[in-house]
Amino acid sequence: EIVLTQSPGTLSLSPGERATLSCRASQSVTSSYLVWYQQKSGQAPRLLIYGASSRAIGIPDRFSGSGSGTDFTLTISRLEPEDFAVYYCQQYGISPYTFGQGTKLEIK
Amino acid sequence: EVQLLESGGDLVQPGGSLTLSCAASGFTFNNYAMRWVRQAPGKGLEWVSGISGGGATYYPDSVKGRFTVSRDNSKNTLYLQMNSLRADDTAVYYCAKMGGRSCSSGSCYANNWGQGTLVTVSS
Repeated sequence: EIVLTQSPGTLSLSPGERATLSCRASQSVTSSYLVWYQQKSGQAPRLLIYGASSRAIGIPDRFSGSGSGTDFTLTISRLEPEDFAVYYCQQYGISPYTFGQGTKLEIK
Repeated sequence: EVQLLESGGDLVQPGGSLTLSCAASGFTFNNYAMRWVRQAPGKGLEWVSGISGGGATYYPDSVKGRFTVSRDNSKNTLYLQMNSLRADDTAVYYCAKMGGRSCSSGSCYANNWGQGTLVTVSS
């Protein structure tokens, strides 16, 4: 089973700053089959990024994904107040299709 | 617009049973695999079952033999029958529409989620 480790566990930033979230896999993720979800407090998760770097429909271009192999990054170029949430990565290359444990992005 | 509406969450005693439903609309239901995902209070996300458009099922070891997923394509509805419930099954249960007809490499991610239904297992 591929283990996804997200870092940091909590990231404290201010609106307008740049956020960089990491997702590291215990073995190479097939064909960059990695997604990022955003979950705001009390809400269901929402798909942000698929295929490591493709934005889902309706996702603002301040969100970008990158990476391949075992190292992936979600970048939010300029934080808006509504971006403070928990972010999860998930790989869908090798079954079981595992989740990371999440990174909480909080307001500093 | 894709909509997924879960129902059936409740307070149930340990050892009890419960059935969750997820009513789907806004897409051709039988063309997509569906999964149930749960989130225990303050914890992360965990797949608990899945079913392809053709009816093939998936269960992780944590629920195998206790949970049964099914779908009624004529009613556009997904179900999760949960038996022998334990305290550690307490969670919000989400249904999710996956990226293709079967949840295989390249398509097994959730592009739409319901709002969730709370299952509490406690005496």
